[in-house]
Amino acid sequence: EVKLVESGGGLVQPGRSLKLSCAASGFSFNDYWMGWVRQAPGKGLEWIGEINQDSSTINYTPSLKDKFTISRDNAQNTLYLQMSKLGSEDTAIYYCARGDYGSYGDWGQGVMVTVSS
Amino acid sequence: DIQMTQSPASLSASLGETVTIECLASEDIYSNLAWYQQKPGKSPQLLIYDASSLQDGVPSRFSGSESGTQYSLEINSLQSEDAATYFCQQHHDYPFTFGSGTKLEIK
Repeated sequence: EVKLVESGGGLVQPGRSLKLSCAASGFSFNDYWMGWVRQAPGKGLEWIGEINQDSSTINYTPSLKDKFTISRDNAQNTLYLQMSKLGSEDTAIYYCARGDYGSYGDWGQGVMVTVSS
Repeated sequence: DIQMTQSPASLSASLGETVTIECLASEDIYSNLAWYQQKPGKSPQLLIYDASSLQDGVPSRFSGSESGTQYSLEINSLQSEDAATYFCQQHHDYPFTFGSGTKLEIK
């Protein structure tokens, strides 16, 4: 069974940084692209970016490229999202998802990030 | 960026009815489109990929089609568990983009 478990969320002050993790199990992690998607409260889905199997290709949505960094550790079966210069607009549920040729067939349960002083 | 214009924003239908949700791409996305269902408090679930291929385990009352840059999700024989928000997503070109969502209420 594919399992994706996000962690690292919580309350963070504006301007600070936060790093999310996504622990993967139940599949061969290093065979798949992995992505991050977020959802602000009561809003739609926003694609953040994705990373290929060996981290040689990482794509981001342009508006987040300078503040978010996606990485992975295939030895630890873990995906990461490093977020910096956080603002209130970054308050959202953050999902990691397993890529399947561009669509996402498996999602984590999501982790809440609240940016507030 | 490719814009995905999704409609309607919301709709209400009765049990057993058929509904259609549409997404219009701002340019050709060559069938690189997925549909997701999201229930309140839950993660999105993939229903359809490559515009018309049914994800494993998804009931056959869900179907996808395309006409040019217009993509449609049809749900036949509506059931109570279909109450959810539905999103389309293009994965033809980066950055990938989602439609704004359609909230389906079952009367």
